Order: sequence, then structure tokens, then C-alpha cells
Amino acid sequence: DSGVTQTPKHLITATGQRVTLRCSPRSGDLSVYWYQQSLDQGLQFLIQYYNGEERAKGNILERFSAQQFPDLHSELNLSSLELGDSALYFCASSVRDHGDTQYFGPGTRLTVL
Amino acid sequence: AQKITQTQPGMFVQEKEAVTLDCTYDTSDQSYGLFWYKQPSSGEMIFLIYQGSYDEQNATEGRYSLNFQKARKSANLVISASQLGDSAMYFCAMRGWLSSGSARQLTFGSGTQLTVLP
Repeated sequence: DSGVTQTPKHLITATGQRVTLRCSPRSGDLSVYWYQQSLDQGLQFLIQYYNGEERAKGNILERFSAQQFPDLHSELNLSSLELGDSALYFCASSVRDHGDTQYFGPGTRLTVL
Repeated sequence: AQKITQTQPGMFVQEKEAVTLDCTYDTSDQSYGLFWYKQPSSGEMIFLIYQGSYDEQNATEGRYSLNFQKARKSANLVISASQLGDSAMYFCAMRGWLSSGSARQLTFGSGTQLTVLP
């Protein structure tokens, strides 16, 4: 158990809908990272927040957004969902910024029908 | 930008034997980090081992060791005395600068599926 929690574990929704994925980092970790894992794209970095501020952006679509709250938990919002958004979404956390080891949560498996 | 290559989509190893999973990387950074993660069939990503580019000694963590050859840009994972529970997908990752130059992040390889045979 990495200490990173993600909810829900599974999510099934329809095209065009909007969903929110939630992540709680390990106690004491200030950075939260979001990744998408799909069969065709592999594991891709989406976005990082550090102590409430957006720190870095990767291959995140404009339909996706995220935020980190004062208690350091983070939410990833996915809107206007398409079939291709079906994937495993991971949250990871680290103590400080990008220089530290990232510990991953169990993931949220999103299925868009 | 950096690239991670794992050329072995699948590997088989007999229980109790050692196995090496290959990883090569490409970067122009002088300072970078190399990681290995394990993903069992249950889906979670488990951190195994880390090697910094300036570390002179190869990293070891229990049965895991990282064979770091900087000149060849390789960072192979060695698992000694394989166990059935080692069956999983293994990902090599490198921490380096994003193409935007804004921050350093992890780039992952495509993974190697290891199956340990009884």
C-alpha cells in the first residue's frame, strides 16, 4: 500500500458525460501527479500540482482539468467524454517537486460506453 | 525530450532463477533519474528502485538491482531468485525535462510482461 488513495476504483459512464476522479496523496506529500494509461498510448503524464499550484502540464486534453485543494487532495475532471478516454487513471504523489520518487495510487478505471 | 525503450514485450523465467529486464534511454540531460515500477494484474503501480545519473554505484533493493551503464545509456533491472509473485508488467521510467522545458517529469517505457514459471 503506497499510501495514495483514489476514488472511485471503477467508473462506467456514457459518451458526452462529465466525471470527477479524486486523489488523496500520502501524508506529508505536497505534489500530486495525474497519469493516463491506455493500451494504445501507454502511460502518459497529464498534469502536476505542487502545494495547490499547477506545476507542469503534459499531454492533457483541453476537455480535462484538475485542481489541488488546500488539504492537498486533488481532483481530475474529465468532460465531454469520448470512447477513447477509456483508460486507467493514476494519481501519484511525492514529498516535494519533481525531484522526488513518485508513489502511485491504485488507479481509477474509467470505461466510456 | 527523452525516450525510454524496453525491447522485450514478454519474458519468461523459471522460479528461483535470476532475470534481467532491459531498458535503454535517450536524453541530452546531464542530470536525470531512472526508475523501475511493477504493475501486477491488479493494476496498481509499485515503485521498485531508483538510480540517479550521478550515482557511482548500482542501486539495490532486496532482490532487485539496477545495472546502470551510463555510457551505453542502459538501466537494466535484475531480479534475483524469481518468485511466482514477481509475475507482472515492469516499467522503466526516466525523470527528465518535458519538451516544453517547464519541468522535469517521468517518461515511461512500453513495459515488459514477466511471467515466472513454477
